[in-house]
Amino acid sequence: NAGVTQTPKFRVLKTGQSMTLLCAQDMNHEYMYWYRQDPGMGLRLIHYSVGEGTTAKGEVPDGYNVSRLKKQNFLLGLESAAPSQTSVYFCASSYSMADTQYFGPGTRLTVL
Amino acid sequence: RKEVEQDPGPFNVPEGATVAFNCTYSNSASQSFFWYRQDCRKEPKLLMSVYSSGNEDGRFTAQLNRASQYISLLIRDSKLSDSATYLCVAVTTSGTYKYIFGTGTRLKVLA
Repeated sequence: NAGVTQTPKFRVLKTGQSMTLLCAQDMNHEYMYWYRQDPGMGLRLIHYSVGEGTTAKGEVPDGYNVSRLKKQNFLLGLESAAPSQTSVYFCASSYSMADTQYFGPGTRLTVL
Repeated sequence: RKEVEQDPGPFNVPEGATVAFNCTYSNSASQSFFWYRQDCRKEPKLLMSVYSSGNEDGRFTAQLNRASQYISLLIRDSKLSDSATYLCVAVTTSGTYKYIFGTGTRLKVLA
């Protein structure tokens, strides 16, 4: 089992460009999450999903959109990237909302 | 005030030492607690859950003190491989869902 995978691993964008980060999990988890991690701020929840076709806002949702068209995939979109979105993005999944979360390897995004 | 607070460290300890970290949480409705480990430039991975009665996993012991709203992690006989950042988590599922990570405590075990 691959667990949780993320693509791409690295990306550099110019301000105003758009991109989509892909997260896939093969553990048949209902719950999936997108976090960003910044120095001194820790992991902050951007959006999450409690099942296929559902999404909800987390702590820092502005500037991001998500979609969960298939149970195994959770996409994070940046419509118009800003330098403040330079960060490391982690996807995670879990069996239930209060359970252990399994993380992907992360995507390092730089917005110039 | 952050909902989950940790001393950022670094804690520099010699091999074989015992080290303890505390983590305080502000939401009394938090129901579940975890310790994760994160190596440099890697993803967080679960170290252990924290149970009300306290629990042990090899050299690691986790405790929960609901009255004072903190959780602790004790590492005995530290190994070089224990060097990492340790993140605590408090989870609330009643009302607004929250899975809040602390900013982490950095541990360096020295030879």
